[in-house]
Amino acid sequence: DQQVKQNSPSLSVQEGRISILNCDYTNSMFDYFLWYKKYPAEGPTFLISISSIKDKNEDGRFTVFLNKSAKHLSLHIVPSQPGDSAVYFCAASSNSGGSNYKLTFGKGTLLTVNP
Amino acid sequence: KAGVTQTPRYLIKTRGQQVTLSCSPISGHRSVSWYQQTPGQGLQFLFEYFSETQRNKGNFPGRFSGRQFSNSRSEMNVSTLELGDSALYLCASSLQGMSGELFFGEGSRLTVL
Repeated sequence: DQQVKQNSPSLSVQEGRISILNCDYTNSMFDYFLWYKKYPAEGPTFLISISSIKDKNEDGRFTVFLNKSAKHLSLHIVPSQPGDSAVYFCAASSNSGGSNYKLTFGKGTLLTVNP
Repeated sequence: KAGVTQTPRYLIKTRGQQVTLSCSPISGHRSVSWYQQTPGQGLQFLFEYFSETQRNKGNFPGRFSGRQFSNSRSEMNVSTLELGDSALYLCASSLQGMSGELFFGEGSRLTVL
């Protein structure tokens, strides 16, 4: 049973436009969410996170939105740049029940930003 | 500051063999986690160690095991390898291991023939 779902395996956008990557989760105990970016032949690198007490967190060109009632979060990249082309993973964790030592990841979305 | 170092980067084994992968965390990080990445399943949590103690374990069979040493370096072992164990094994370190930012290594690519 997949608790974190990224339903779009791939997304293609034009340079300068907005990229919106979506993520849904089913476990209501999740209270912390993160996005990681992964280039080929490299490990994932942390991008941005959000706690469940917030509904928005912004860092430069990257903004994460959290809709707890819909169990949905999204990552907005504005403006998109060719260097943003990578696989983006959504991840979630819970600070209860001893589960705060692991992240549950989605399967990733391959973002391609075309020049 | 050196990042997370994983060795070996690539290895090929045959079914039935065993393999040991090594991970050196960022200096000062006491938590080490292991993840398996496959095309079909994405990143799946294997286990997490903090101060030589396993604090959490994912849903993998007992053939997958790990340990952490007093210097925070960690190893994971897979015994009786199966074709389905072919994957990228990623190690990540963090200061406390609490939910939050993990620093990943480049991974060890295991191919089982």
